[in-house]
Amino acid sequence: DTGVSQDPRHKITKRGQNVTFRCDPISEHNRLYWYRQTLGQGPEFLTYFQNEAQLEKSRLLSDRFSAERPKGSFSTLEIQRTEQGDSAMYLCASSSDSSNQPQHFGDGTRLSIL
Amino acid sequence: QKEVEQDPGPLSVPEGAIVSLNCTYSNSAFQYFMWYRQYSRKGPELLMYTYSSGNKEDGRFTAQVDKSSKYISLFIRDSQPSDSATYLCAMRGLNTGTASKLTFGTGTRLQVTL
Repeated sequence: DTGVSQDPRHKITKRGQNVTFRCDPISEHNRLYWYRQTLGQGPEFLTYFQNEAQLEKSRLLSDRFSAERPKGSFSTLEIQRTEQGDSAMYLCASSSDSSNQPQHFGDGTRLSIL
Repeated sequence: QKEVEQDPGPLSVPEGAIVSLNCTYSNSAFQYFMWYRQYSRKGPELLMYTYSSGNKEDGRFTAQVDKSSKYISLFIRDSQPSDSATYLCAMRGLNTGTASKLTFGTGTRLQVTL
């Protein structure tokens, strides 16, 4: 069990550029979640996958955001035409499908928009 | 009004003190309650995970849930400087569909001084 892995740890980009983050969940966890955390706030839910199916998206996930989990293993989160307000920590979490198991988080990708 | 309220602190205590951290919530559908610890520039780390009302103890940590009052607490005994971190409460409904997502408080920043 190597934990949830996220890459890159920090991304700096100019406004208007596209960025993509990757999350590798704990092996055999078939549930995967993306959250966003801004300074001084708790994480806010963005989207949720069970295996390769995206089952829920928050209204925070605008049309510029897209997430995929093509083979039910790793996931990617892409932000197109980045804006200043996208600056945040993007956290990934995973859990098993056994009933009522907790979510375990990675160390996040910190996005800074210049 | 937020679904989960948590005092952001900061809370400063001397080493060895008993720390009490609290959250209140408004959504009666919440059934599972968690406490996460987050160090600077790291992801949330699961500390305690409880279901419904009652107490749970793990080493120096005790979690309490009072569903009738919609109030949860985390107690830390014999606090250490290494406990200095932000403590996030989180909760969710039953593990079906959209109820899987976590709703977090803002986090309480704790500083344990020598």
